[in-house]
Amino acid sequence: DAKTTQPNSMESNEEEPVHLPCNHSTISGTDYIHWYRQLPSQGPEYVIHGLTSNVNNRMASLAIAEDRKSSTLILHRATLRDAAVYYCILRAVDSGGGADGLTFGKGTHLIIQP
Amino acid sequence: DVKVTQSSRYLVKRTGEKVFLECVQDMDHENMFWYRQDPGLGLRLIYFSYDVKMKEKGDIPEGYSVSREKKERFSLILESASTNQTSMYLCASSPNRGNTEAFFGQGTRLTVV
Repeated sequence: DAKTTQPNSMESNEEEPVHLPCNHSTISGTDYIHWYRQLPSQGPEYVIHGLTSNVNNRMASLAIAEDRKSSTLILHRATLRDAAVYYCILRAVDSGGGADGLTFGKGTHLIIQP
Repeated sequence: DVKVTQSSRYLVKRTGEKVFLECVQDMDHENMFWYRQDPGLGLRLIYFSYDVKMKEKGDIPEGYSVSREKKERFSLILESASTNQTSMYLCASSPNRGNTEAFFGQGTRLTVV
């Protein structure tokens, strides 16, 4: 499985944008970039995913580098409820009948200051 | 509302007991996963299954086994529980396509005494 690298922790102020980086230099052409987050005492939840183009949804935006070796999750206006561990994960386009391990790293612990 | 349901939120078992953790999903997903989460170690994949009766080892399968007799149910089995298996256990499911999201249960906090 291709690996991702994220900073251990980041800190931001409430109501400011947050840019969470992820490096995935060994990404293959068939890998989607997924982001999940885990709020305290909860299971992880999906945030966003993309393949090549930048993506937006109600939770966040995903900016993908042209060479796809890195990506950035953007929270446009962080709130205290966004304090969580954010995980960047690679998933194959089509697992067919085979293995798709959905492997998580340690993620980035995002701290939001009031 | 899509759901991944884990049978227990909290569980206390004795060393040497056989422990079953159950997970059920109602989304007809092919893939199901079991993780454990410990402070400082993140989520570690124990086992996963991409079809009924199929299973694959994850990163830390030792001391665990799994069962998938029906598509909607994935069971994690601790044959003889030990104190180092005290942890938060998380189940997840996803379709068998990389461009869709995975859904997680709320977790089972298992304490082995």
